[in-house]
Amino acid sequence: TAGITQAPTSQILAAGRSMTLRCTQDMRHNAMYWYRQDLGLGLRLIHYSNTAGTTGKGEVPDGYSVSRANTDDFPLTLASAVPSQTSVYFCASSDSRTGGPFPGELFFGEGSRLTVL
Amino acid sequence: GQNIDQPTEMTATEGAIVQINCTYQTSGFNGLFWYQQHAGEAPTFLSYNVLDGLEEKGRFSSFLSRSKGYSYLLLKELQMKDSASYLCAVTDSNYQLIWGAGTKLIIKP
Repeated sequence: TAGITQAPTSQILAAGRSMTLRCTQDMRHNAMYWYRQDLGLGLRLIHYSNTAGTTGKGEVPDGYSVSRANTDDFPLTLASAVPSQTSVYFCASSDSRTGGPFPGELFFGEGSRLTVL
Repeated sequence: GQNIDQPTEMTATEGAIVQINCTYQTSGFNGLFWYQQHAGEAPTFLSYNVLDGLEEKGRFSSFLSRSKGYSYLLLKELQMKDSASYLCAVTDSNYQLIWGAGTKLIIKP
């Protein structure tokens, strides 16, 4: 079973360039999330989507944008990358049966390691 | 502010028992999660506590005291494969997940 697939697994990007991290899930979960993980810090929420067609800002949304055109896909775009965006990015999903923001158990993709030079 | 505290690193011996503590200060509480993350891999769900007490699942148990803002993860009969980081996360009153930085557990033979 695929679960959540992220691409690319790693990327080196020049500062100022744009980049889209792709995330696809096959579990029909309604909620999806993008986190970044940096050494010594907890996972930090960038953006989330409780259902297709809606998105929301997390703790660290600046410099990132997302879209949720359908249930399965939740791409994360860096419009103009900066070195502080060097991180490991995790996409996650959850089956929020209440229809509200409660995350429930999160299922994570394998991560995308991004280096901005 | 909201805060989750966990020890940065712990070391234990194969076959032994280890307890990983987590204390939290959040605006409201709607449950506490423990996740396991092996180096270079994705976090995976271990346990969820919303009521006070102990939840046991095989070699792993998780305890919660809401009045003390405290939880622990207890790992018994440690195996080398248990070497990983253990992440504590709390759901606050807005149903947002607040994550601790994680505890790196090193298992020695």
